Amino acid sequence: GDSVTQMEGPVTLSEEAFLTINCTYTATGYPSLFWYVQYPGEGLQLLLKATKADDKGSNKGFEATYRKETTSFHLEKGSVQVSDSAVYFCALWGEGAQKLVFGQGTRLTINP
Amino acid sequence: DTAVSQTPKYLVTQMGNDKSIKCEQNLGHDTMYWYKQDSKKFLKIMFSYNNKELIINETVPNRFSPKSPDKAHLNLHINSLELGDSAVYFCASSQGLVIVYEQYFGPGTRLTVT
Repeated sequence: GDSVTQMEGPVTLSEEAFLTINCTYTATGYPSLFWYVQYPGEGLQLLLKATKADDKGSNKGFEATYRKETTSFHLEKGSVQVSDSAVYFCALWGEGAQKLVFGQGTRLTINP
Repeated sequence: DTAVSQTPKYLVTQMGNDKSIKCEQNLGHDTMYWYKQDSKKFLKIMFSYNNKELIINETVPNRFSPKSPDKAHLNLHINSLELGDSAVYFCASSQGLVIVYEQYFGPGTRLTVT
């Protein structure tokens, strides 16, 4: 079945550092890919998405590019802030599916 | 106004008890979901409803019974609680059951079974 694998956390960075959180997936056909963010004590929020190969999703300075050849959707940000501290989830919605499949989440902590 | 709300936020109970978690959305969405997030933050879908009809039941034990009295509500009743049921339960909603519609999540209910 469809699955998503994220890099193990936790990840701790200093403010203004460059961020990469790796995400790879297994799915048949052409799934749609997502990054969700969960701030402390809150539910998940959609951060960005890409629905076809080579699409780049972007929001709040975060970017991720749908790479079909490497089955990846890595999340990047050029300069992180303390307010970016949260848990980040990579997810996919398979072709013809009726549900999101999530990765295990990566906890990110940004120190001032 | 809160888009997707859940009550209670915290629930502590003993093994063997029966408990319910309520979810309401005021977004006018047709589709609602229940997810379970375990202690390692792994998030997995349990159920989805579309226009009050059960669409997905992800091999969840029969002790879990969702009920959708109308499109704005999806409650989760759990019988004979077990230690392994301890988790954070999230409700979510979307405009429809296709990928183009974003899912909106509630704040979660942290269930602790002792």
